[in-house]
Amino acid sequence: KAGVTQTPRYLIKTRGQQVTLSCSPISGHRSVSWYQQTPGQGLQFLFEYFSETQRNKGNFPGRFSGRQFSNSRSEMNVSTLELGDSALYLCASSLDPQANYGYTFGSGTRLTVV
Amino acid sequence: AQTVTQSQPEMSVQEAETVTLSCTYDTSESDYYLFWYKQPPSRQMILVIRQEAYKQQNATENRFSVNFQKAAKSFSLKISDSQLGDAAMYFCAYRSGRSQKLVFGQGTRLTINP
Repeated sequence: KAGVTQTPRYLIKTRGQQVTLSCSPISGHRSVSWYQQTPGQGLQFLFEYFSETQRNKGNFPGRFSGRQFSNSRSEMNVSTLELGDSALYLCASSLDPQANYGYTFGSGTRLTVV
Repeated sequence: AQTVTQSQPEMSVQEAETVTLSCTYDTSESDYYLFWYKQPPSRQMILVIRQEAYKQQNATENRFSVNFQKAAKSFSLKISDSQLGDAAMYFCAYRSGRSQKLVFGQGTRLTINP
């Protein structure tokens, strides 16, 4: 059974550009969450989707957005990139809509903004 | 807002010995879930163990067990018979029963000495 797949693994972008990250959850999982991991701020929640609906959103500026498709695949977009957006972006999925049994994470996309 | 605190940035233990990682959390809710995740250099967050707040019995998964003290809001992880493969960053996480958002601690880097 394939795990959570995130593409690309690494990405280098220039300030001001925009970027789209992709996440394919485990087959059958309909809940998908995104987290940003940085050395200074640690792991911070971005947003969570279930059946194409955003149910929860973290405290990030509007430059951060996401969506989920009918096949549960999810994308997150960051517009007008800033140096501080450099981070590891982790996607996680859950079979259980309430995620009571925890999430399965992908290996992340390492974004570097120069 | 809920917060999770891991007071030990780094820990080390001899192979085959036992180590305990500390975690405290702050919440006014009664319905919540607690998790320990492991993040090896591969970057993927791996669920180690979970605990429902309404269960008094401490969770156990093979060599991993927790000491859940609800009144003290403490959730420590004990690793018995430490193995080299246990070396990783360990994150304690809280999830409210009303949200799918995980709140993470800052992590503890565990080193296993052969």
